[in-house]
Amino acid sequence: NAGVMQNPRHLVRRRGQEARLRCSPVKGHSHVYWYRQLPEEGLKFMVYLQKENIIDESGMPKERFSAEFPKEGPSILRIQQVVRGDSAAYFCASSPSRVVRETQYFGPGTRLLVL
Amino acid sequence: TQLLEQSPQFLSIQEGENLTVYCNSSSVFSSLQWYRQEPGEGPVLLVTVVTGGEVKKLKRLTFQFGDARKDSSLHITAAQTGDTGLYLCAGETGANNLFFGTGTRLTVIP
Repeated sequence: NAGVMQNPRHLVRRRGQEARLRCSPVKGHSHVYWYRQLPEEGLKFMVYLQKENIIDESGMPKERFSAEFPKEGPSILRIQQVVRGDSAAYFCASSPSRVVRETQYFGPGTRLLVL
Repeated sequence: TQLLEQSPQFLSIQEGENLTVYCNSSSVFSSLQWYRQEPGEGPVLLVTVVTGGEVKKLKRLTFQFGDARKDSSLHITAAQTGDTGLYLCAGETGANNLFFGTGTRLTVIP
């Protein structure tokens, strides 16, 4: 069984460029969460999506960040005009239901470095 | 503002020793989860505790949820080098996501 897959694993961007992070959930899971982790810190919730819907984006910056989970294909987290402060590890997790205490399966993360 | 503080932030012990790490908050959580994260990987769920006062054991790991559901502890008996990692607690807030603690980075020295 394939777990959560994220790509790329590492991404280097210059300031002002766009970063696109992809997440393929566990097969059959329709709930996806994105988290950001700064060095030596815990994970901070960004956005929760179900297929074709954003359910909760309360943790996502209003500017430059967007997320989608189309009917077909992976979930995408897009960061436009990246700045150095966007450098972090971005994790997605998937779940079979919207029950928060249901096990969330995390991917290996994408480490974004903004030069 | 919710805050889940974990202590200690860093812990380095010899193989075979026992240790306890703590997860404290002023907020009440519906449930609390513990994860272990290894370098370069995502967090992996260890346990979920739901009831105040609940104790769960996972081999050499013992997890306890405080009676008031505001705090939790993780006790490891006879630590092994394979226990090395970042331990994260995460609380269910009733919203749509988990609220993660600050983490305890454990190093077990052979």
